Amino acid sequence: TQLLEQSPQFLSIQEGENLTVYCNSSSVFSSLQWYRQEPGEGPVLLVTVVTGGEVKKLKRLTFQFGDARKDSSLHITAAQPGDTGLYLCAGVDDTDKLIFGTGTRLQVFP
Amino acid sequence: DAGVIQSPRHEVTEMGQEVTLRCKPISGHDYLFWYRQTMMRGLELLIYFNNNVPIDDSGMPEDRFSAKMPNASFSTLKIQPSEPRDSAVYFCASTPSRHTQYFGPGTRLTVL
Repeated sequence: TQLLEQSPQFLSIQEGENLTVYCNSSSVFSSLQWYRQEPGEGPVLLVTVVTGGEVKKLKRLTFQFGDARKDSSLHITAAQPGDTGLYLCAGVDDTDKLIFGTGTRLQVFP
Repeated sequence: DAGVIQSPRHEVTEMGQEVTLRCKPISGHDYLFWYRQTMMRGLELLIYFNNNVPIDDSGMPEDRFSAKMPNASFSTLKIQPSEPRDSAVYFCASTPSRHTQYFGPGTRLTVL
């Protein structure tokens, strides 16, 4: 079973701080997605990265796909309480399955 | 579009009872997925359908679980008999393109 390990598992920070969440695997993925899930709701897609080394920006969020397409990172600049939630990465493996990561639970305090 | 609709949003039942969870996917989406989410195991794929046909049910934990999709606008996930370890949030997701998932709000199941 392929695993997508996310770190850290939990993160509590103050508003205005920067943070980075990591998503790592020993397997290669053809593409990788990031989702955010708020309490009581389902995950919502934030971004999809496809090319090794690709960087995408979504306002204060920066997503990067590793050169070898085995890992990814999500960087948030000047975090806000509205960024609070569970962040999930998900990769498409060589059997065309979407594998979800273990999740990072972020809490941003005002 | 109303998005993926799931019902009920919350279900509390006693061990041994039958539980049926319902999902209405987004119109025009050919794929439908059922997931289970727990703190311990995260988000797990149970089964998915393409054009109403079950494609991969390898994630279904055991014979107590069954899923059907009688038409393009409706799917059910049934647990019979239910057990306390089935307590989790169950999500339905649909997609037109195999991988980008549009999730419903989930059904929180508690089995006492």
